[in-house]
Amino acid sequence: AQSVTQPDIHITVSEGASLELRCNYSYGATPYLFWYVQSPGQGLQLLLKYFSGDTLVQGIKGFEAEFKRSQSSFNLRKPSVHWSDAAEYFCAVGAGYSSASKIIFGSGTRLSIRP
Amino acid sequence: ETGVTQSPTHLIKTRGQQVTLRCSSQSGHNTVSWYQQALGQGPQFIFQYYREEENGRGNFPPRFSGLQFPNYSSELNVNALELDDSALYLCASSPPQPGTVTGEQYFGPGTRLTVT
Repeated sequence: AQSVTQPDIHITVSEGASLELRCNYSYGATPYLFWYVQSPGQGLQLLLKYFSGDTLVQGIKGFEAEFKRSQSSFNLRKPSVHWSDAAEYFCAVGAGYSSASKIIFGSGTRLSIRP
Repeated sequence: ETGVTQSPTHLIKTRGQQVTLRCSSQSGHNTVSWYQQALGQGPQFIFQYYREEENGRGNFPPRFSGLQFPNYSSELNVNALELDDSALYLCASSPPQPGTVTGEQYFGPGTRLTVT
Protein backbone atom coordinates (compact mmCIF):
# COMPACT_ATOMS: atom_id res chain seq x y z
CA ALA A 1 0.00 0.00 0.00
CA GLN A 2 1.10 3.51 -0.67
CA SER A 3 2.26 5.54 2.29
CA VAL A 4 4.23 8.62 3.20
CA THR A 5 6.37 9.05 6.29
CA GLN A 6 7.52 12.35 7.69
CA PRO A 7 9.75 11.39 10.60
CA ASP A 8 10.02 14.84 12.15
CA ILE A 9 6.89 16.03 13.91
CA HIS A 10 8.28 19.43 14.84
CA ILE A 11 11.40 21.30 13.77
CA THR A 12 12.68 24.66 14.98
CA VAL A 13 15.28 26.60 13.00
CA SER A 14 16.69 30.07 13.34
CA GLU A 15 15.70 32.73 10.85
CA GLY A 16 18.24 32.79 8.04
CA ALA A 17 19.34 29.20 8.65
CA SER A 18 18.97 26.42 6.12
CA LEU A 19 16.14 23.92 6.29
CA GLU A 20 15.63 20.33 5.30
CA LEU A 21 12.36 18.49 5.92
CA ARG A 22 12.46 14.75 5.44
CA CYS A 23 9.98 12.62 3.54
CA ASN A 24 10.00 8.94 2.67
CA TYR A 25 7.39 7.24 0.55
CA SER A 26 6.27 3.75 -0.26
CA TYR A 27 4.85 3.24 -3.72
CA GLY A 28 5.10 0.39 -6.20
CA ALA A 29 5.58 2.42 -9.35
CA THR A 30 7.07 5.76 -10.27
CA PRO A 31 5.47 8.12 -7.81
CA TYR A 32 4.07 11.54 -8.31
CA LEU A 33 5.31 13.53 -5.35
CA PHE A 34 4.19 16.78 -3.82
CA TRP A 35 4.98 19.16 -1.00
CA TYR A 36 2.18 21.29 0.40
CA VAL A 37 2.27 23.99 3.07
CA GLN A 38 -0.55 24.84 5.45
CA SER A 39 -0.65 27.97 7.54
CA PRO A 40 -2.77 27.93 10.72
CA GLY A 41 -6.46 27.71 9.92
CA GLN A 42 -5.80 27.67 6.20
CA GLY A 43 -6.07 25.24 3.33
CA LEU A 44 -3.12 23.64 1.60
CA GLN A 45 -0.88 25.45 -0.88
CA LEU A 46 1.17 23.50 -3.39
CA LEU A 47 4.89 24.28 -3.03
CA LEU A 48 6.26 21.97 -5.71
CA LYS A 49 5.71 18.69 -7.49
CA TYR A 50 7.74 15.92 -9.12
CA PHE A 51 6.29 13.89 -11.95
CA SER A 52 9.35 12.91 -14.01
CA GLY A 53 12.60 14.25 -15.41
CA ASP A 54 15.08 16.28 -13.41
CA THR A 55 15.16 14.92 -9.87
CA LEU A 56 15.78 18.36 -8.37
CA VAL A 57 12.61 20.41 -8.58
CA GLN A 58 12.16 24.05 -7.82
CA GLY A 59 9.06 25.42 -6.19
CA ILE A 60 7.57 28.63 -4.97
CA LYS A 61 8.89 30.72 -2.08
CA GLY A 62 12.47 29.57 -2.66
CA PHE A 63 11.84 25.90 -1.84
CA GLU A 64 13.32 22.95 -3.68
CA ALA A 65 13.08 19.19 -3.30
CA GLU A 66 15.17 16.29 -4.53
CA PHE A 67 13.73 12.94 -5.57
CA LYS A 68 16.00 10.03 -4.69
CA ARG A 69 14.57 6.77 -5.95
CA SER A 70 17.23 4.61 -4.26
CA GLN A 71 16.29 6.06 -0.87
CA SER A 72 12.55 6.46 -1.56
CA SER A 73 12.91 10.02 -0.39
CA PHE A 74 11.72 13.44 -1.45
CA ASN A 75 13.22 15.90 1.02
CA LEU A 76 12.31 19.57 0.99
CA ARG A 77 15.01 22.20 1.33
CA LYS A 78 15.38 25.93 1.61
CA PRO A 79 18.75 27.68 1.93
CA SER A 80 17.56 30.50 4.19
CA VAL A 81 14.25 30.48 6.06
CA HIS A 82 12.14 33.51 6.81
CA TRP A 83 9.80 33.99 9.77
CA SER A 84 6.88 33.73 7.35
CA ASP A 85 7.86 30.12 6.58
CA ALA A 86 6.50 28.99 9.95
CA ALA A 87 3.72 26.57 9.06
CA GLU A 88 2.84 22.89 8.71
CA TYR A 89 4.45 21.09 5.79
CA PHE A 90 2.99 18.00 4.19
CA CYS A 91 4.68 15.59 1.84
CA ALA A 92 2.31 13.63 -0.38
CA VAL A 93 2.30 10.95 -3.06
CA GLY A 94 -0.15 10.71 -5.92
CA ALA A 95 -1.73 7.28 -5.98
CA GLY A 96 -3.33 6.38 -9.26
CA TYR A 97 -6.55 4.51 -8.77
CA SER A 98 -8.37 3.78 -11.98
CA SER A 99 -8.64 7.27 -13.39
CA ALA A 100 -8.85 8.83 -9.96
CA SER A 101 -6.01 10.83 -8.61
CA LYS A 102 -6.18 10.69 -4.85
CA ILE A 103 -3.25 12.06 -2.93
CA ILE A 104 -1.90 10.35 0.16
CA PHE A 105 -0.45 12.70 2.73
CA GLY A 106 2.10 12.28 5.44
CA SER A 107 1.30 13.35 8.95
CA GLY A 108 3.10 16.65 8.54
CA THR A 109 6.07 18.50 10.01
CA ARG A 110 5.46 21.66 11.97
CA LEU A 111 8.12 24.28 11.32
CA SER A 112 8.83 26.95 13.91
CA ILE A 113 11.23 29.83 13.28
CA ARG A 114 13.46 31.14 16.04
CA PRO A 115 14.05 34.93 15.75
CA GLU B 1 -8.80 33.45 -11.85
CA THR B 2 -10.92 32.38 -8.89
CA GLY B 3 -9.50 29.62 -6.74
CA VAL B 4 -11.32 26.86 -4.93
CA THR B 5 -13.96 28.18 -2.55
CA GLN B 6 -15.81 26.38 0.22
CA SER B 7 -18.81 27.16 2.36
CA PRO B 8 -19.52 27.52 5.14
CA THR B 9 -16.28 28.42 6.88
CA HIS B 10 -17.31 27.00 10.22
CA LEU B 11 -20.18 24.79 11.30
CA ILE B 12 -21.36 23.36 14.60
CA LYS B 13 -23.67 20.35 14.58
CA THR B 14 -25.05 17.92 17.11
CA ARG B 15 -24.34 14.20 17.06
CA GLY B 16 -26.86 12.40 14.85
CA GLN B 17 -27.57 15.37 12.63
CA GLN B 18 -26.81 15.65 8.93
CA VAL B 19 -24.54 18.24 7.28
CA THR B 20 -23.87 19.45 3.73
CA LEU B 21 -20.64 21.15 2.78
CA ARG B 22 -20.14 22.95 -0.53
CA CYS B 23 -17.23 23.48 -2.87
CA SER B 24 -16.74 25.47 -6.04
CA SER B 25 -13.85 24.25 -8.14
CA GLN B 26 -11.26 26.41 -9.79
CA SER B 27 -12.13 27.57 -13.29
CA GLY B 28 -11.32 24.92 -15.89
CA HIS B 29 -11.02 22.11 -13.35
CA ASN B 30 -13.31 19.12 -13.86
CA THR B 31 -12.34 16.90 -10.93
CA VAL B 32 -13.13 17.49 -7.29
CA SER B 33 -11.72 15.57 -4.33
CA TRP B 34 -12.72 15.76 -0.68
CA TYR B 35 -10.44 15.22 2.29
CA GLN B 36 -10.92 15.05 6.03
CA GLN B 37 -8.19 16.54 8.22
CA ALA B 38 -8.45 15.75 11.90
CA LEU B 39 -6.57 17.96 14.31
CA GLY B 40 -2.83 17.37 14.15
CA GLN B 41 -3.03 14.96 11.23
CA GLY B 42 -2.58 15.01 7.50
CA PRO B 43 -5.61 15.08 5.21
CA GLN B 44 -7.30 11.75 4.51
CA PHE B 45 -8.91 11.09 1.13
CA ILE B 46 -12.68 10.69 1.30
CA PHE B 47 -13.67 10.45 -2.36
CA GLN B 48 -13.32 12.06 -5.76
CA TYR B 49 -15.84 13.16 -8.36
CA TYR B 50 -15.19 13.32 -12.07
CA ARG B 51 -17.85 14.20 -14.61
CA GLU B 52 -20.54 14.02 -11.93
CA GLU B 53 -19.72 10.47 -10.87
CA GLU B 54 -17.78 9.10 -7.90
CA ASN B 55 -14.36 8.11 -9.17
CA GLY B 56 -12.54 6.62 -6.23
CA ARG B 57 -13.23 6.39 -2.52
CA GLY B 58 -11.13 6.18 0.60
CA ASN B 59 -11.83 4.27 3.78
CA PHE B 60 -14.95 6.16 4.82
CA PRO B 61 -18.40 4.71 5.58
CA PRO B 62 -21.40 5.15 3.27
CA ARG B 63 -22.84 7.90 5.45
CA PHE B 64 -20.26 10.09 3.71
CA SER B 65 -21.66 10.84 0.27
CA GLY B 66 -21.27 13.47 -2.36
CA LEU B 67 -22.46 15.05 -5.54
CA GLN B 68 -20.86 16.88 -8.42
CA PHE B 69 -22.87 19.25 -10.56
CA PRO B 70 -22.57 20.09 -14.28
CA ASN B 71 -20.59 23.22 -13.42
CA TYR B 72 -18.14 20.94 -11.53
CA SER B 73 -19.06 22.30 -8.12
CA SER B 74 -19.55 19.67 -5.46
CA GLU B 75 -21.24 18.82 -2.17
CA LEU B 76 -20.15 16.57 0.66
CA ASN B 77 -22.96 15.14 2.77
CA VAL B 78 -22.47 13.43 6.09
CA ASN B 79 -25.37 11.66 7.77
CA ALA B 80 -25.71 10.55 11.37
CA LEU B 81 -22.84 12.73 12.55
CA GLU B 82 -20.47 11.32 15.14
CA LEU B 83 -18.14 13.15 17.47
CA ASP B 84 -15.14 11.82 15.51
CA ASP B 85 -16.42 13.59 12.40
CA SER B 86 -15.17 16.85 13.90
CA ALA B 87 -12.44 17.96 11.52
CA LEU B 88 -11.42 20.35 8.78
CA TYR B 89 -12.98 19.25 5.50
CA LEU B 90 -10.95 20.20 2.47
CA CYS B 91 -12.06 20.29 -1.11
CA ALA B 92 -9.52 20.17 -3.93
CA SER B 93 -9.97 20.56 -7.64
CA SER B 94 -7.77 19.28 -10.47
CA PRO B 95 -7.41 20.30 -14.08
CA PRO B 96 -8.13 17.72 -16.80
CA GLN B 97 -5.40 15.07 -16.96
CA PRO B 98 -4.53 12.58 -19.66
CA GLY B 99 -5.09 8.93 -18.89
CA THR B 100 -4.48 7.93 -15.30
CA VAL B 101 -1.95 10.60 -14.51
CA THR B 102 -2.22 11.88 -10.99
CA GLY B 103 -2.15 15.62 -11.24
CA GLU B 104 -1.68 18.29 -8.70
CA GLN B 105 -4.69 19.32 -6.68
CA TYR B 106 -5.58 22.83 -5.61
CA PHE B 107 -7.17 23.14 -2.22
CA GLY B 108 -9.81 25.40 -0.81
CA PRO B 109 -9.56 26.93 2.67
CA GLY B 110 -11.71 24.21 4.20
CA THR B 111 -14.81 23.99 6.37
CA ARG B 112 -14.26 23.49 10.09
CA LEU B 113 -16.95 21.11 11.36
CA THR B 114 -17.48 20.67 15.07
CA VAL B 115 -19.81 17.92 16.28
CA THR B 116 -21.02 18.20 19.87
